[in-house]
Amino acid sequence: EPEVTQTPSHQVTQMGQEVILRCVPISNHLYFYWYRQILGQKVEFLVSFYNNEISEKSEIFDDQFSVERPDGSNFTLKIRSTKLEDSAMYFCASTSGQGAGGTEAFFGQGTRLTVV
Amino acid sequence: AQKVTQAQTEISVVEKEDVTLDCVYETRDTTYYLFWYKQPPSGELVFLIRRNSFDEQNEISGRYSWNFQKSTSSFNFTITASQVVDSAVYFCALSEYQISAAGNKLTFGGGTRVLVKP
Repeated sequence: EPEVTQTPSHQVTQMGQEVILRCVPISNHLYFYWYRQILGQKVEFLVSFYNNEISEKSEIFDDQFSVERPDGSNFTLKIRSTKLEDSAMYFCASTSGQGAGGTEAFFGQGTRLTVV
Repeated sequence: AQKVTQAQTEISVVEKEDVTLDCVYETRDTTYYLFWYKQPPSGELVFLIRRNSFDEQNEISGRYSWNFQKSTSSFNFTITASQVVDSAVYFCALSEYQISAAGNKLTFGGGTRVLVKP
């Protein structure tokens, strides 16, 4: 069964450093997303990406964040200068896009980012 | 703005008991979609079920069933004859109809931790 894969599974970084979280969405999917889950809290939407551009972003997704689809398969989230409060589980997801909102999102297993 | 509320933070049951998870949502859209996701201790998010706003028929899928009531904006989820492997955090989520390129951004509730004891 096709799946979304994320690397690394766990990343520890020092405050102020840049990190890049990587995702390989399901190959025939068209929409890509990043979500964040601070430990013990709800899953929060960060950004959606379609046709090589951001289609929607939340207020969490400030100038420190950026996303990119550098080739036909990878989808990355970059945090330019990490802060302690960026520590969270980051989930990548993708959808086929059919159904204008009704298709289920397939999530990766997550990358746990720890900022020290 | 859309909002999803799961009032139950934790439910503990003994194996084989049924467990019902409550979900109440808010949205201004007339067309929307509701989902339940499971997050086992390993951390991934697993899709369970989806329901359209224009279809209030309740269904059963294996040990899962759901009760969608538009009049009360509720989308409750039941696990019948619970098993230890059902222990997880369960999230209710809402997606509004989008004809633009935004896909289906999900708004999640706070989650309900289910602990099934043997």
